[in-house]
Formats: sequence, structure tokens, C-alpha cells
Amino acid sequence: DAEITQSPRHKITETGRQVTLACHQTWNHNNMFWYRQDLGHGLRLIHYSYGVQDTNKGEVSDGYSVSRSNTEDLPLTLESAASSQTSVYFCASSESRDPIYGYTFGSGTRLTVV
Amino acid sequence: QKEVEQDPGPLSVPEGAIVSLNCTYSNSAFQYFMWYRQYSRKGPELLMYTYSSGNKEDGRFTAQVDKSSKYISLFIRDSQPSDSATYLCALSEVQGAQKLVFGQGTRLTINP
Repeated sequence: DAEITQSPRHKITETGRQVTLACHQTWNHNNMFWYRQDLGHGLRLIHYSYGVQDTNKGEVSDGYSVSRSNTEDLPLTLESAASSQTSVYFCASSESRDPIYGYTFGSGTRLTVV
Repeated sequence: QKEVEQDPGPLSVPEGAIVSLNCTYSNSAFQYFMWYRQYSRKGPELLMYTYSSGNKEDGRFTAQVDKSSKYISLFIRDSQPSDSATYLCALSEVQGAQKLVFGQGTRLTINP
């Protein structure tokens, strides 16, 4: 069965370190998204991609970067981790730009920056 | 002002009750309205969608959109303990990218 997987599920890192969160989908979806979820803010868009070599900034992109070298993967990199980036990170993918098809989400990565 | 406002709750009701969950929004360009359900420590999953104003029913769930008031609702009839989850509204504009804007989510508990 097709799926979208995130790794690791939990990560503790130190302030200033570079961290990469993995997202891999086997749906063959062109569209992929990274969100962070925080109490009081809900889900906020970090970066998104509509295909290989395409990346775009979302609402809260400062301090984050992504690259899309193939259809299946969209890794999220925190260049220099900060305590404000402690959050739960969700990757999602979608088949179509038509919003009625919705997103398929991974199970999330809980990141703690100490 | 946030584009989408949703009361985070928590909301606790007895089994069998009718539940009403709501979101308000400020961007009149939103045309697609969705509800996602998120169980604890899981990613959200699409529950229902509606396009423009009106009602849509799917089993025990009814989604309602009032574009004139910029107000959307999700009703759950005969609520079950398995409905206990966080419910997020998500909105999208018609043109261009399929970028969803999410509400904060309302945490719902159905008590047996």
C-alpha cells in the first residue's frame, strides 16, 4: 500500500545544530508540504513543492529549507536549530491541486531543541 | 488577525449528543472548505469537504458553509467515543496553489 512516512518520530537536538527531518511518500504525488503544529497556532505552512526542483516558501519559512530532487522525498532542514523551533512537524502530499482531494499526512516528527 | 479562527476548546460532551464545531474566516477568496480529524499523535485525515455555500451530509456528519457570514460548521449527530479527536477546519482559494490554511483545531472528547 502507498504511504507517507516521516523519520525520525522523535528527535532531541541542541541549539545551533543543523537538523534534517525526512519525508518519503510512495503515492507518486507531485505536491508535497511541510507544516508545523503548535498549541495556539494550529498547523502553519513552512515550505511546499509542486514537483521536482520546485520549492516555495510558506508562512513560517525563516530558518528552514527544503530541496526536491525526486518525486518521493522532501527533506526539511533546520539550518541552525533554535528553541522556538521545538514543535511537531507534519509532512503531507497531494495528488492534485484541486483542494477537494485533500492532503495525506504523515504521522509527524516531534522535535525538541534544548 | 488570523485568516481562520477556531475555538480550541476543549469540548466535552456525553455520548449520543449533537456536536457543533465552528470556524470563522476573513478571506472572502476562500472557496473550498474542509474538515480534518486528527487523533492523538497522528497526522490529520480528511473528513469532509464542501465547495462554496450550502450543506453537505455524510453519515453522521454534516458540513455547513455560510459565505455571507464567513462561517463554517461541522455537526456530528449521535456522537460516539470514537469521535474523540481534534477537528481542524481547512480552507483554500479557488485559483492557483492548493495551499490549505488551517484553523487551530478544536479538541473534542465524547464521554461514554
